[in-house]
Amino acid sequence: EPEVTQTPSHQVTQMGQEVILRCVPISNHLYFYWYRQILGQKVEFLVSFYNNEISEKSEIFDDQFSVERPDGSNFTLKIRSTKLEDSAMYFCASSPRPGTGTGNTIYFGEGSWLTVV
Amino acid sequence: TQLLEQSPQFLSIQEGENLTVYCNSSSVFSSLQWYRQEPGEGPVLLVTVVTGGEVKKLKRLTFQFGDARKDSSLHITAAQPGDTGLYLCAGGGGSWGKLQFGAGTQVVVTP
Repeated sequence: EPEVTQTPSHQVTQMGQEVILRCVPISNHLYFYWYRQILGQKVEFLVSFYNNEISEKSEIFDDQFSVERPDGSNFTLKIRSTKLEDSAMYFCASSPRPGTGTGNTIYFGEGSWLTVV
Repeated sequence: TQLLEQSPQFLSIQEGENLTVYCNSSSVFSSLQWYRQEPGEGPVLLVTVVTGGEVKKLKRLTFQFGDARKDSSLHITAAQPGDTGLYLCAGGGGSWGKLQFGAGTQVVVTP
């Protein structure tokens, strides 16, 4: 079964450092997403991406965050200057079509656990 | 922000018993998805419901979307230890895959 893969699985970084989380979405999918889950809290939407541009973003996704699809296969999330509160599990997801209706499954990766110290 | 409240937060039952998990909101959602999440893994989609009053069955799991599309339930019949996991509901309302997740119900089924 095709799957979304994420690297690294776990990263520890110092506050203020830049972090890049990488994702390889399912190959024929066109819509990509990042979600995050702070330990003990809900899964939260960060951003959706289509046709090389951001489609929608949440209030969490401020100027410290950016996304990119640099080479047609990878989809990255960059945090420019990490803060302690950025510590969370970051999930990449992809779907063949937009929206959340029947027939459009959003597939989640296994997550990248980011710890900011 | 549309909020989804799940109840109960934790449910522990014996194998063979039935259980129901609830997902409620004051807002209307265009679709409601149920996921299951294992520790250290991403959510895995179980079902999507889009029509008010819709009922979907997945083996021993029955999902229902409320008539007003504000609430949903997941019912498991004759639970098995393999049903143990975190069950999440997520509401969709936009066109770009933005899901609003509930906090989840941790289900533990003991043999």
